[in-house]
Amino acid sequence: AQSVAQPEDQVNVAEGNPLTVKCTYSVSGNPYLFWYVQYPNRGLQFLLKYITGDNLVKGSYGFEAEFNKSQTSFHLKKPSALVSDSALYFCAVRDGQGNFNKFYFGSGTKLNVKP
Amino acid sequence: DVKVTQSSRYLVKRTGEKVFLECVQDMDHENMFWYRQDPGLGLRLIYFSYDVKMKEKGDIPEGYSVSREKKERFSLILESASTNQTSMYLCASSLTLNPGVTGELFFGEGSRLTVL
Repeated sequence: AQSVAQPEDQVNVAEGNPLTVKCTYSVSGNPYLFWYVQYPNRGLQFLLKYITGDNLVKGSYGFEAEFNKSQTSFHLKKPSALVSDSALYFCAVRDGQGNFNKFYFGSGTKLNVKP
Repeated sequence: DVKVTQSSRYLVKRTGEKVFLECVQDMDHENMFWYRQDPGLGLRLIYFSYDVKMKEKGDIPEGYSVSREKKERFSLILESASTNQTSMYLCASSLTLNPGVTGELFFGEGSRLTVL
């Protein structure tokens, strides 16, 4: 069965420090992986995706994510956190076969960046 | 840019009322989705549609129905609203997965429904 896990409900980091938000996945075929960000009372905004190619993908607002096939992980990273990065982050995987139009979301990780 | 528009940002309804949530996308996407979002439960798929007049149940379809009469519009209907349907409802759209098409989801701003 397809699934996504975000093991941390909350991540706290000081402004200027690097941040990592963790995500692991389980899919039956090749994974199509995504990160989204949600600010309070807003919809989800697309940050970045991994489909194929380089394991390190770059996205919006200075975020990047590293795909690790052997660990089935797709962790979101940023070298230097900003207070404005504080938000809810969702990892998602798209089914690469079978019901290929269905997405599976993690439960979300709240990122708190303190000044 | 893709735009997904949800007609109502905030609604307050009474138990037993029929509720319509409307969603329109302007990028000719084949697929449209309705999710609900609740604290601690993440996003849960209610229904999705991969073509006009086509629909498939998601993980929590009970108490909901949908309508897709035109490609750009996907409506979520609560036939008889109940207090446990108080939630944030998110509409999304995407292209169908094909070679060269990665088909990420594009979301609307959400509709926060309160049922009293």
